[in-house]
Formats: sequence, C-alpha cells, structure tokens
Amino acid sequence: NFMLTQPHSVSASPGKTVTISCTRSSGSIASNSVQWYQQRPGSSPTTVIYEDFQRPSGVSDRFSGSIDRSSNSASLTISGLKAEDEADYYCQSFDTTNHEVFGGGTKLTVL
Amino acid sequence: EVQLVEFGGGLVQPGGSLRLSCAVSGFIVRNDYISWVRQAPGKGLEWVSITYSGGSTYYADPVRGRFSVSTDNSKNTLYLHMNSLRVEDTAVYYCVASRVGSYDRHWGQGTLVTVSS
Repeated sequence: NFMLTQPHSVSASPGKTVTISCTRSSGSIASNSVQWYQQRPGSSPTTVIYEDFQRPSGVSDRFSGSIDRSSNSASLTISGLKAEDEADYYCQSFDTTNHEVFGGGTKLTVL
Repeated sequence: EVQLVEFGGGLVQPGGSLRLSCAVSGFIVRNDYISWVRQAPGKGLEWVSITYSGGSTYYADPVRGRFSVSTDNSKNTLYLHMNSLRVEDTAVYYCVASRVGSYDRHWGQGTLVTVSS
C-alpha cells in the first residue's frame, strides 16, 4: 500500500493564491484518480476536485487541481483566497486493491 | 437532488454491535459507488469500506472481519453492520456516494458512534 502526505498547515492572505500538495509514497500518482475534499469547521466534507482536475458543479473556478509525475504529487490550488476558504483539505486516491487512501489533511488559514 | 442521510449512531459498550443506515436519494445503491468514511474526534478522514455496482465490497484492514455492508434495494438504503466494537471505532461515520464511472462524490452529514464503557 502507499501513503499520501500533505503539509500539516498552510496560510495566506486574502486575495492571494495558495497551493496544497499531496505526495504519493510509492507507485505513480497518475495510476489512480485523486480527489480533494474541503471540510469547514463543524461541517461534513464536500468535494472540490475529482479525477485529478475536474470541478463539481457549483464549486468556484478559483479551485483547481493538477498532478505532477516528476514529483509524484497532486496539488490543489486556490486563487483569490477568501475568508470562507479557511478549512481542512484532504486528498484521496485508490490503490490497486480498490482500497481508498486519504492524506492526513491540511489546515488552511486565511490570515 | 442528491441526498445522503445517515442514522443509527449512538453510545455502545466495547464488544457491542451497532447498525448504521445510509438512506440515499438521487443515486441507486445497487448501481453506484458508496463508501463509508469515518473521522475520530479531532482527527483526519479514514476510509472504512467501499461498495461498487454489482455488490462487491472492500474493507479497510482495521474493520475487516468485524464490519459488513448490506443493501436494501427496495428502500435504496445501505447498511454498515458493526460488530465487536472497540474504543478506537469511536468516530463520526459518513456515507459517501458517486455515480458509477465517476468520483464526483457526495457526502452525508454523518452519524456519531461512541464506544465506551
């Protein structure tokens, strides 16, 4: 099995752009789709990116996803940062035995 | 409209059993992908199980052999049967669904399971 490693926390000021990384420990990041979830305090998670870079209906285009084979990582980028973006963000993928793997989560603070 | 409603959580003693329900609208449980994901107090998300269209279900190592999933197609409801519960199973349990072939996933509001003597 593999692990997905995220930074524990990131911070940025309103209006700025922030990127959260998700590094796969073994196997190719491109082998299985990567999803990103946002969890605001006291709420259940919601999907902000699925299948590496797809945005669900209703999610702001300020959210974008990508994968980088050279660093074996996925990234979630949030541009034009707003106070409402302050939340925990989790990446998730699948292994070859149909098991799901979650990253440890990143706390985004909007300064 | 897609809606997932979990219920059945509560307080149970170690070694006890509990059945969680996930009532689904906007999806068809026998056709689509449905997972259970849990979150211990103050911790991150942890995958529990995934059920694929056709009924194949896979379980995370910490729950395999103790938890099982069943469906009632007439009620469009998925159940998580939890046996031999441990203190470390204490968490909010979320039902997560997406249409077959897609991982655009919808989450329920969660139900809290507390295992304590």
